[in-house]
Amino acid sequence: AQTVTQSQPEMSVQEAETVTLSCTYDTSESDYYLFWYKQPPSRQMILVIRQEAYKQQNATENRFSVNFQKAAKSFSLKISDSQLGDAAMYFCAYRRNSGYALNFGKGTSLLVTP
Amino acid sequence: EPEVTQTPSHQVTQMGQEVILRCVPISNHLYFYWYRQILGQKVEFLVSFYNNEISEKSEIFDDQFSVERPDGSNFTLKIRSTKLEDSAMYFCASSEGLGAAETQYFGPGTRLLVL
Repeated sequence: AQTVTQSQPEMSVQEAETVTLSCTYDTSESDYYLFWYKQPPSRQMILVIRQEAYKQQNATENRFSVNFQKAAKSFSLKISDSQLGDAAMYFCAYRRNSGYALNFGKGTSLLVTP
Repeated sequence: EPEVTQTPSHQVTQMGQEVILRCVPISNHLYFYWYRQILGQKVEFLVSFYNNEISEKSEIFDDQFSVERPDGSNFTLKIRSTKLEDSAMYFCASSEGLGAAETQYFGPGTRLLVL
């Protein structure tokens, strides 16, 4: 079974600064997908960024980027120039290529301070 | 932008009662999912549905749960005899396909409280 671990229950960052959220996963698969989802207080989960395991290049989406280390099974999310609207729960998720289920970590609550 | 919608937003029921949670996936999506999130815990996969049949389910999705696509737009989750531990936020999601095209888009959730 695949497990996703987010070791930081809470993180805090000042506005305009950079923060990195950690995620590690355990799998015996070679082909899979990794995701970061954001869940603001409204509770609707929104996809932040996606990474295909076969791609060596790290995914980026504007201020959001990942550091994907396949050998280490690590998938961290970097948020640059943090904004107040970035405050939310962030979930790392894994999906094996042949499966349907997203397997989520427990989440990291990000607080952004002015 | 198309969205996944869910009704009701909140549902309170008595233990042992049946509940039906409703979802309208994004119109051109073919894969549908239910997840749940017990308060303070991680989001857990329940079931995925494609071509009018279950494609994958978790251990949580036992005989008291069922899913259905009764028409061309709705996707429902039925809990036959609710238990206290079914209290959770239930999220519906949909995706256009699998593989590179697959991003699961989530609805806002239904908060179910079983008394």
